[in-house]
Amino acid sequence: EAQVTQNPRYLITVTGKKLTVTCSQNMNHEYMSWYRQDPGLGLRQIYYSMNVEVTDKGDVPEGYKVSRKEKRNFPLILESPSPNQTSLYFCASSLLETSNTEAFFGQGTRLTVV
Amino acid sequence: GQNIDQPTEMTATEGAIVQINCTYQTSGFNGLFWYQQHAGEAPTFLSYNVLDGLEEKGRFSSFLSRSKGYSYLLLKELQMKDSASYLCAVRDLGGSYIPTFGRGTSLIVHP
Repeated sequence: EAQVTQNPRYLITVTGKKLTVTCSQNMNHEYMSWYRQDPGLGLRQIYYSMNVEVTDKGDVPEGYKVSRKEKRNFPLILESPSPNQTSLYFCASSLLETSNTEAFFGQGTRLTVV
Repeated sequence: GQNIDQPTEMTATEGAIVQINCTYQTSGFNGLFWYQQHAGEAPTFLSYNVLDGLEEKGRFSSFLSRSKGYSYLLLKELQMKDSASYLCAVRDLGGSYIPTFGRGTSLIVHP
């Protein structure tokens, strides 16, 4: 089954404790992206990647890191989480073409930083 | 970049028809997506428009006017399960094919 898998689904952590949210897709998609979703603000892009070893900042990259060492995986790293990073996070992937390239989203990770 | 505007919230009655509008400003249009998102769940793809006109898919239709920077999603024969947030996303010709999402419209369907 074609899917994007995020882990964990729920995470409560303390300020300053490094964490990683994993994202994996099995569709051989070139493009992967991380979003955070907050009430009233919609989906905001954190980082994205066009292919292996190619990553770029989105609209809200501060406090986050990513890596793309393999095509299928795109982990999101919070080196020193802070309470303002409490949010619902989504990973997405898609093909990179000029036609209808819908994004496939993971199930989401609800992160709480206390 | 893009500037995307959607109503924050709409309500409708089961069995009725509802139209959710999306206006956008972009330097170079390259496609518009509609996604549905139930509370706490992942967005799921509904439709894609790149040319002017109406695309129909079952109870859902999406319309695009590129000259007006305008799209709408039309939901017919509303069901309770259609209560969700509807996200408009626009892709521009910046070369990266990355869509920018609007803030979404929360649709509440009443019995």
